[in-house]
Amino acid sequence: RKEVEQDPGPFNVPEGATVAFNCTYSNSASQSFFWYRQDCRKEPKLLMSVYSSGNEDGRFTAQLNRASQYISLLIRDSKLSDSATYLCVVSGGANNLFFGTGTRLTVIP
Amino acid sequence: GAVVSQHPSRVICKSGTSVKIECRSLDFQATTMFWYRQFPKQSLMLMATSNEGSKATYEQGVEKDKFLINHASLTLSTLTVTSAHPEDSSFYICSARREGGYTFGSGTRLTVV
Repeated sequence: RKEVEQDPGPFNVPEGATVAFNCTYSNSASQSFFWYRQDCRKEPKLLMSVYSSGNEDGRFTAQLNRASQYISLLIRDSKLSDSATYLCVVSGGANNLFFGTGTRLTVIP
Repeated sequence: GAVVSQHPSRVICKSGTSVKIECRSLDFQATTMFWYRQFPKQSLMLMATSNEGSKATYEQGVEKDKFLINHASLTLSTLTVTSAHPEDSSFYICSARREGGYTFGSGTRLTVV
């Protein structure tokens, strides 16, 4: 079983739509959780960390469910510029990072 | 802040030659640097963890004699792909841990012809 699993998509949504991504992780001892955004052929960039209490940054909301071992990312009012691959990243101990395969989002005009 | 500079961004080399990739932490000290590889449509896979002043730790299946890592200072880690082959063609990226998360270099796209 993979450490982190994501639906690869693609998700094609119209501008203004709300879209949600989920990600599951296998190691219950995982400590830190992140969503990264990766544009084609570019490096991943931190979108937001994910906290147990949930957190929101503008149009983006991330939530963590430790009991079910999943993380979600909600994007409201999608913009064309949101088109990218969204990586779910989970950190175990000893600085290990585990990446999902990423979910590809395309926002359509 | 917390910028990692990675060079080169793109390199094409002949089969059998070696390529060195550098990652520098510009405004912080990175005692540990992580090296990843990403093949098309796949996730980032950790190759090795480089520790300043000591030997790197390689992941299972990664040949340490082929992928030489040097982390001689707190701001510089290098990955050398030795005797490169076409199957080594990939996107290589470094990362360092910082407060609040991890910061990535801009990546190096290696094409071996």
